Amino acid sequence: QSVLTQPPSASGTPGQRVTISCSGSSSNIGSNYVYWYQQLPGTAPKLLIYRNNQRPSGVPDRFSGSKSGTSASLAISGLRSEDEADYYCAAWDDSLSGHWVFGGGTKLTVL
Amino acid sequence: EVQLVESGGGLVQPGRSLRLSCAASGFTFDDYAMHWVRQAPGKGLEWVSGISWNSGSIGYADSVKGRFTISRDNAKNSLYLQMNSLRAEDTALYYCAKDQGPYYYGRGNWFDPWGQGTLVTVSS
Repeated sequence: QSVLTQPPSASGTPGQRVTISCSGSSSNIGSNYVYWYQQLPGTAPKLLIYRNNQRPSGVPDRFSGSKSGTSASLAISGLRSEDEADYYCAAWDDSLSGHWVFGGGTKLTVL
Repeated sequence: EVQLVESGGGLVQPGRSLRLSCAASGFTFDDYAMHWVRQAPGKGLEWVSGISWNSGSIGYADSVKGRFTISRDNAKNSLYLQMNSLRAEDTALYYCAKDQGPYYYGRGNWFDPWGQGTLVTVSS
């Protein structure tokens, strides 16, 4: 059971806009930044969004992140076949001695 | 180019030990915190441990606390994970990841990049 809650799957057709949610609590998302990682099949995770809504260089502006309260979302517009991957949210959690937490991951299928 | 190359994985019996290594290059290793993150087969990501730039601050997930020890050798640009009392549930691909700042506890930092991982299988 992951500390951050994501839907296990999402899907869309090419060109569509899809969103992936990530729900947490006051000790993680509610008080810290949210990060999103993309994991293409058979590869290591790659940073997609940092500090809630910032894109690293090289990440297309089709990807955007947002945060409100104890929840966050990743939006992908103009969906492309190469976006088919697993997406994970992450945040620092202040509870106990502090630790990093991840969502369970969302498998995005491009139909 | 930043590169992280993990090694040391393999098949090990329950209760035994294993030491993972991560060789870093392409950046000033002793300026940054480092992490181990694992992924069980077909499952999601789980943070295992983090270590600050000078080894002054270290953190562990509850699932490995008391069994795993993270360390680094800045002179060798290397990160390590000593894993003792291994259990079947420790079976996973173990990734080494670079932090963006000097401390592993990150209110504003993140993991980037990640290595390709080394597979640990705990089975009799």
